[in-house]
Amino acid sequence: EVHLVESGGGLVQPGGSLRLSCTASGFTFSSFEMNWVRQAPGKGLEWVSYISGSGTTIYYADAVKGRFTISRDNAKNSLFLQMNSLRAEDTALYYCAREDRYPHDSSGQKYDYWGQGTLVTVSS
Amino acid sequence: DIQMTQSPSSLSASVGDRVTITCRASQSISSYLNWYQQKPGKAPKLLIYGASNLQGGVPSRFTGSGSGTDFTLTISGLQPEDCATYSCQQVYTTPGFGGGTKVEIK
Repeated sequence: EVHLVESGGGLVQPGGSLRLSCTASGFTFSSFEMNWVRQAPGKGLEWVSYISGSGTTIYYADAVKGRFTISRDNAKNSLFLQMNSLRAEDTALYYCAREDRYPHDSSGQKYDYWGQGTLVTVSS
Repeated sequence: DIQMTQSPSSLSASVGDRVTITCRASQSISSYLNWYQQKPGKAPKLLIYGASNLQGGVPSRFTGSGSGTDFTLTISGLQPEDCATYSCQQVYTTPGFGGGTKVEIK
């Protein structure tokens, strides 16, 4: 059974840093692309970052580009999000999500498994 | 960036009703549209991918349709366990989500 478990969230002051982790089990981690998606309190979902299975292709949302760094350790079945220069608007529940391709069209992506999220609060 | 607009933002319906949620893209996204269900305090769950394809294990009362810019999610025969927020996601370009539609039981 697929499991994704996030950790590392907490309360941090503006300008501070946090490193989120997502530990995967139940599937061949290196074979799947992964994403971070966040949800501010009472708000909708917002895509944050993507990393390919090998870690060689990475994308970021404009809102976090230059401040956040996504990475993965396939030997440890782990995904990471290093978050620097945090702002109040980064306050959210952060989910890791596994990406799979449409079976009929490899250009399409779907997030088929999600963790339960880890809460990041940026406040003084 | 492609903007995704959902309507309504919330709705209340009775058990057994047919419920329709609309998602509109600011430009054509072909059929690169997914629907997710999120219950309070839980992670999102994939319902529909590719606009109309039911994810494994999802009840057949959920159907998706549309292509281009206009999409719908229909729940045929609303059940109490369908109380949730439903969000669309475009994956044609940089992924983006709609604002969500909260479905409540009357």
